[in-house]
Amino acid sequence: EVQLVESGGGLVQPGGSLRLSCAASGFTFSSYAMTWVRQTPGTGLEWVSGLSGSGGPPYFADSVKGRFTISRDASKNTLYLHMNSLRAEDTAVYFCAKLVRGAYYMDAWGKGTTVTVSS
Amino acid sequence: EIVMTQSPATLSVSPGERATLSCRASQSVSSNLAWYQQKPGQAPRLLIYGASTRATGIAARFSGSGSGTEFTLTISSLQSEDFALYYCQQYNNWPPLTFGGGTKVEIK
Repeated sequence: EVQLVESGGGLVQPGGSLRLSCAASGFTFSSYAMTWVRQTPGTGLEWVSGLSGSGGPPYFADSVKGRFTISRDASKNTLYLHMNSLRAEDTAVYFCAKLVRGAYYMDAWGKGTTVTVSS
Repeated sequence: EIVMTQSPATLSVSPGERATLSCRASQSVSSNLAWYQQKPGQAPRLLIYGASTRATGIAARFSGSGSGTEFTLTISSLQSEDFALYYCQQYNNWPPLTFGGGTKVEIK
């Protein structure tokens, strides 16, 4: 069974940094592209970033470009989202999700981790 | 960026009735369209991909149709567990992947 478990969320001041982790199991992690999607309370879903399993370039939404980076550690089956220069508008629940091979829809999601940016 | 627009924002339906949800793309996404269901406090769950193919384990009462810019998710006979939020997502052109704003299906 595919499992994705996010961690690392919390309260951070504006301008601060945070690293989210997503521990994956139940599939060959290195073979699949992975992505981060966030959801602001009461609003919809926003794609944040994606990374292939094969060493391709990362992709970012314009809203986070230059502030967030994405990486993965195949030895730990873990995906990361490094968030810098955080803003109040980055406050959201962050989900990691597995992308279907050869397509870019998400067939498995974690339960999410909450990031709150506030002074 | 492809903008996805869902309508209506809220759909009030009685149990056992049919629900029809719409999703429109600002430009053609071919059949590269997925639908997700989300219940309060839970992660989204994949329902439909390729505009019309049900994901593993999804009940037959869920069906998707459309191509290009116009798509529909139909729930043929609403069950109590179907009252939830529904999102469409295009994956024809990325980055970015884009979602619609969602349709809330509520009990009438």
